[in-house]
Amino acid sequence: ETGVTQTPRHLVMGMTNKKSLKCEQHLGHNAMYWYKQSAKKPLELMFVYNFKEQTENNSVPSRFSPECPNSSHLFLHLHTLQPEDSALYLCASSQESNAATEAFFGQGTRLTVV
Amino acid sequence: GENVEQHPSTLSVQEGDSAVIKCTYSDSASNYFPWYKQELGKRPQLIIDIRSNVGEKKDQRIAVTLNKTAKHFSLHITETQPEDSAVYFCAANTGGFKTIFGAGTRLFVKA
Repeated sequence: ETGVTQTPRHLVMGMTNKKSLKCEQHLGHNAMYWYKQSAKKPLELMFVYNFKEQTENNSVPSRFSPECPNSSHLFLHLHTLQPEDSALYLCASSQESNAATEAFFGQGTRLTVV
Repeated sequence: GENVEQHPSTLSVQEGDSAVIKCTYSDSASNYFPWYKQELGKRPQLIIDIRSNVGEKKDQRIAVTLNKTAKHFSLHITETQPEDSAVYFCAANTGGFKTIFGAGTRLFVKA
């Protein structure tokens, strides 16, 4: 167990639904990330939070809304998604200082939009 | 921003042979280059990393080389085993909170 937990593991939602993905890290890290993993594509960075402040929004559509209430929890709120948003959503955390370090990933949430 | 290209997208080798995966990056400020392995249905996990102040790093059967001038780095796996079969991702980071990944290489090791 890497210390990064994501729930739910699988989610099927309609295009008009609202749902949330949850991520929790028990590693004491100061940075948390949302990545999208689609078939045959790179891991796409979506959002970065540093000490619960958003430092990066990688041109993500507004139908994805992140929330970071504290440095251990990260949410991704979903609404009015499209079928092309179906993917594996991975949360990660790392301890960043003046040098980048290893990112620890959660198991991911497999999202299917119908 | 940073762009990372990874080749090949698929690689098939015979057990015992070597496997090489290559990546190029665009931002000369990148100084941290991790490699992650993702087995089927599992999360990506770090297998080796290298910083820009060294040219090569080795850990048992795995080695990574870095050419800062050419802006490319490679993963070398020797004496491959079936359990090495997975998707491998290279990545580059400039030191900020932003790791950019390559598209991944699916490695098949045939017994």
